Amino acid sequence: VQLVQSGAEVKKPGESLRISCKASGYTFTNKWIGWVRQMPGKGLEWMGMIYPYDSDTRYSPSFQGQVTISADKSLTTAYLQWNTLRASDTAIYYCGRVDQVPHDPFSVWGQGTRVTVSS
Amino acid sequence: SYDLIQPSSLSVSPGQTARITCSGNKLGDKYVSWYQQRPGQSPLLVIYEDTVRPSGIPTRFSASNSGNTATLSISGTQAMDEADYYCQAWDNDVLIFGGGTKLTVL
Repeated sequence: VQLVQSGAEVKKPGESLRISCKASGYTFTNKWIGWVRQMPGKGLEWMGMIYPYDSDTRYSPSFQGQVTISADKSLTTAYLQWNTLRASDTAIYYCGRVDQVPHDPFSVWGQGTRVTVSS
Repeated sequence: SYDLIQPSSLSVSPGQTARITCSGNKLGDKYVSWYQQRPGQSPLLVIYEDTVRPSGIPTRFSASNSGNTATLSISGTQAMDEADYYCQAWDNDVLIFGGGTKLTVL
């Protein structure tokens, strides 16, 4: 079981961005994929998750409307997208697999994608 | 909203037992998981469903959850256990992380 995330990004405020998380080693459609933010020197924050089978998506109230989570079953890949980046979006973003919602933890994690937003 | 409160830091001598607490209203009614995050690495699940160790996690990691407090215990603490530790629970379909505890082994 493996989650491989896309590489580091450097963007300017106001730009858009989509980062990815490619899953392998298990049936992609049967497990949830979630996203977690870690701002510099800070803790973990759950952003939301998606069930690729039917694209059922849940967002943390803190991130609802700020980002979009999607998945492509044919590519076994989940995505996290911003339409308008801000400097405060600078962080490391992790994807992770959750077997059952709302019961299970993140059992597998990606390696993280560092996003830097700076003018 | 539901909060999970952890001490920001804890120091322990090598070989001693480290106990990291996580507090929340009626936390004992929920399942708690614990993650270890070493510097520069992704988090790693070390405990789930209050007390269960995933395959490959050393037996020196144990945990409990009752009342308003969950506790992660690391017995015979080693230098390699120096890391940030996060508790996590679900509340009304929202996944919650504690603020994290920096464990220093010195």
